[in-house]
Amino acid sequence: QSVLTQPPSASGTPGQRVTISCSGATSNIGTNAVNWYQQLPGAAPKLLMYSHNQRPSGVPDRFSGSKSGTSASLAISGLQSEDEADYYCAAWDDSLNGWVFGGGTKLTVL
Amino acid sequence: QVQLVESGGGVVQPGKSLRLSCAASGFRFNSFGMHWVRQAPGKGLEWVALISYDGRQEIYLDSVKGRFTISRDNSKNTLHVQMNSLRPEDTAVYYCAKSYESSGYSHFDYWGQGALVTVSS
Repeated sequence: QSVLTQPPSASGTPGQRVTISCSGATSNIGTNAVNWYQQLPGAAPKLLMYSHNQRPSGVPDRFSGSKSGTSASLAISGLQSEDEADYYCAAWDDSLNGWVFGGGTKLTVL
Repeated sequence: QVQLVESGGGVVQPGKSLRLSCAASGFRFNSFGMHWVRQAPGKGLEWVALISYDGRQEIYLDSVKGRFTISRDNSKNTLHVQMNSLRPEDTAVYYCAKSYESSGYSHFDYWGQGALVTVSS
């Protein structure tokens, strides 16, 4: 059972907009920055979004992030086949004194 | 460009030890916190440990405390994790990851390709 809760799966057709949620608590998302990682099949994770809604260089602006209270979400607009991957949210947890991840959401592009 | 290359993975019996290393290049290694993150087969990501830029602070996942030790050699741009008393549930791909800043409390901006550790008799 992961500290941060994500839906195990999400799907959409090319061009659609999909949203992935991440639910936590005051000790993690409620207090600290939320980061998102993308893991393409067979590859290492890659930073996708940091500090709720900041994109690293090279990440398309089709990806956006937001946070409200103890929840965060990742939105992908103009869905493309290459977006098919596992997506993980993460945050520092003040109570556990460590980093916590969501269980991951497998995105399928139909 | 930033490169992180893990080594030292393999098959080990329960109760035995293994040491992983991560060779870093392309950035000023002694200025950034570093992490180990693992992923059991078919499962999600789990943070394992962090070490500050100067090695003075180490923080661990509860389930590895007292068994794993993270360390770094800034003269050799290398990160290590010594894993003792290994258990079958430690079986995973272990990734080293670079912190965006010195303490390890910020996001992980670069990841290695991972090293597979299998704990089995």
